[in-house]
Amino acid sequence: QKEVEQNSGPLSVPEGAIASLNCTYSDRGSQSFFWYRQYSGKSPELIMFIYSNGDKEDGRFTAQLNKASQYVSLLIRDSQPSDSATYLCAVNKNRDDKIIFGKGTRLHILP
Amino acid sequence: ETGVTQSPTHLIKTRGQQVTLRCSSQSGHNTVSWYQQALGQGPQFIFQYYREEENGRGNFPPRFSGLQFPNYSSELNVNALELDDSALYLCASSLGAANTGELFFGEGSRLTVL
Repeated sequence: QKEVEQNSGPLSVPEGAIASLNCTYSDRGSQSFFWYRQYSGKSPELIMFIYSNGDKEDGRFTAQLNKASQYVSLLIRDSQPSDSATYLCAVNKNRDDKIIFGKGTRLHILP
Repeated sequence: ETGVTQSPTHLIKTRGQQVTLRCSSQSGHNTVSWYQQALGQGPQFIFQYYREEENGRGNFPPRFSGLQFPNYSSELNVNALELDDSALYLCASSLGAANTGELFFGEGSRLTVL
């Protein structure tokens, strides 16, 4: 079982719709959860982090965490073509531990 | 504010050769992490350096080694290159050994091994 699993996609979503990206993790002791965005040919950039169960909203982005189900998701509202990228889910057990990335989900926003 | 810079951006080596990749961390950051990203995969953790000491290592063989200098810049060395070492090597800096998750990545060094 991989430590962080994501559907590689591609996930195609019409412009203006909600894109939903999902991630599961294997280590129940994981404490911190992150979403990074990576445009083609570029390096990853942090867009959201979440530590507690529930939802966290930042603009058009909402991160959701369910530790009991070991599940993290990212919702992107009012999807724009500029949101087309690979979204990487990342976790670590505690703040002194390495950060483990999933393989990413390719998101394609259809104009 | 100076971002994370990596060099070289692209390089081609042959099997068995050695390579050194360099990274300058973002101003004020004392921690550098190195990741390997193969095509279509997520970044794989190689190791992290905090104040010139290795502070965690991923599942990579000893031929992957590193250094961090007093100015917090870092090097990644790979000996006896293999074809599977072809990948994008990403350096990320952060403040403190505590992994808050706010990694600031450089643009990477793309290594091709022939």
